[in-house]
Amino acid sequence: GAGVSQSPSNKVTEKGKDVELRCDPISGHTALYWYRQSLGQGLEFLIYFQGNSAPDKSGLPSDRFSAERTGGSVSTLTIQRTQQEDSAVYLCASSEHGYTFGSGTRLTVV
Amino acid sequence: AQSVTQLGSHVSVSEGALVLLRCNYSSSVPPYLFWYVQYPNQGLQLLLKYTSAATLVKGINGFEAEFKKSETSFHLTKPSAHMSDAAEYFCAVSDKNSHSGAGSYQLTFGKGTKLSVIP
Repeated sequence: GAGVSQSPSNKVTEKGKDVELRCDPISGHTALYWYRQSLGQGLEFLIYFQGNSAPDKSGLPSDRFSAERTGGSVSTLTIQRTQQEDSAVYLCASSEHGYTFGSGTRLTVV
Repeated sequence: AQSVTQLGSHVSVSEGALVLLRCNYSSSVPPYLFWYVQYPNQGLQLLLKYTSAATLVKGINGFEAEFKKSETSFHLTKPSAHMSDAAEYFCAVSDKNSHSGAGSYQLTFGKGTKLSVIP
């Protein structure tokens, strides 16, 4: 596609529920990143996929967070048993010759 | 380890005035430095990048930044603010050029500076 697409754009969920956030990167981009943007906290690195290599999961804040990338393309970030502190904007970026960010998913846990 | 400090979470300037957004970095290796802009409900857009060539870097929308190794700074400036410049600006550092074709590396971002432009 023309850009990085993220869905849904907004998600409200109840505490304790699981959520899945989707990222469609630019076709052909081998690298894909997830960041979390909390109010006043900047962007926090979560996870990085590069081609068929094992992902760098060093930024995932807890074992409730996981991500996968199927076929080297679409990625899904899953948050299990959501907590209120998970409320944030989750940004995806893909990269081949430079980062291109999606518009993000705004997650609100109530 | 790398880090970025942006001084001032919120900066207000009058339309037509100088814009100065401050960024200081810490890096154990020669850094690559970036400025991104984020408009409401949008992703981040690259403004400019420093990749160890010229220390004065010109970007889009009339912005520029100067790399000063002695001060570990990479401040963003624009001579005359426009209403359309109102947005949040993020400084970021990488230990490798995230914009090369030779692979990609994670960026470490500052906490951002929200720029308001007063008419």
